[in-house]
Amino acid sequence: DIQMTQSPSSLSASVGDRVTITCQASQDISNYLNWYQQKPGKAPKLLIYDASNLETGVPSRFSGSGSGTDFTFTISSLQPEDIATYYCQQYDNLPPTFGQGTKLEIK
Amino acid sequence: QVQLQESGPGLVKPSQTLSLTCTVSGGSISSGGYYWSWIRQHPGKGLEWIGYIYYSGSTYYNPSLKSRVTISVDTSKNQFSLKLSSVTAADTAVYYCARGLAVAGTIFQHWGQGTLVTVSS
Repeated sequence: DIQMTQSPSSLSASVGDRVTITCQASQDISNYLNWYQQKPGKAPKLLIYDASNLETGVPSRFSGSGSGTDFTFTISSLQPEDIATYYCQQYDNLPPTFGQGTKLEIK
Repeated sequence: QVQLQESGPGLVKPSQTLSLTCTVSGGSISSGGYYWSWIRQHPGKGLEWIGYIYYSGSTYYNPSLKSRVTISVDTSKNQFSLKLSSVTAADTAVYYCARGLAVAGTIFQHWGQGTLVTVSS
């Protein structure tokens, strides 16, 4: 299986801050990388697919980049409603695998 | 807008079989083009993909669970189901059903709300 490693595992930031999360794949996955947001007690929500494509209806402050093994997820200006855990997920190979998550908190 | 809803027992005894059903509304499984997945999340942990089924009935299971998993589809009821046999406490998790994008079955665009299954005697 392809291993996905996210960093940091937790992050505290202030409203308005630019927030960046990284995700590294154990092998080249091209751009087959998705990002999800999960709020407590809720199902994950797809935010970005194919590394950089914003899902319909997702605010433009969310963005993603990268290819190969190294990927970045950015929130350009943190809002209170962005408090959640974020997961990357590869789908280059079956089985699809997820990163361990990054828990984002408000400072 | 497609919606998914998991249902099934919240408590299963060790060594028994966990059975869950996902009911789909707002779209027909038999219309084709989509893969229907089960994903689980151990308490306080990350996400693990269990497997998926295509409307035709073809399946793919995570090798880590393959020997214990069966996913089936009932197009007449617009449902798909998960059976996980010989469960242990390690199978305690929130179980989600999900639908992928038409172009890529493992980009999980739509999710059910999840159902907690506890394995305990």
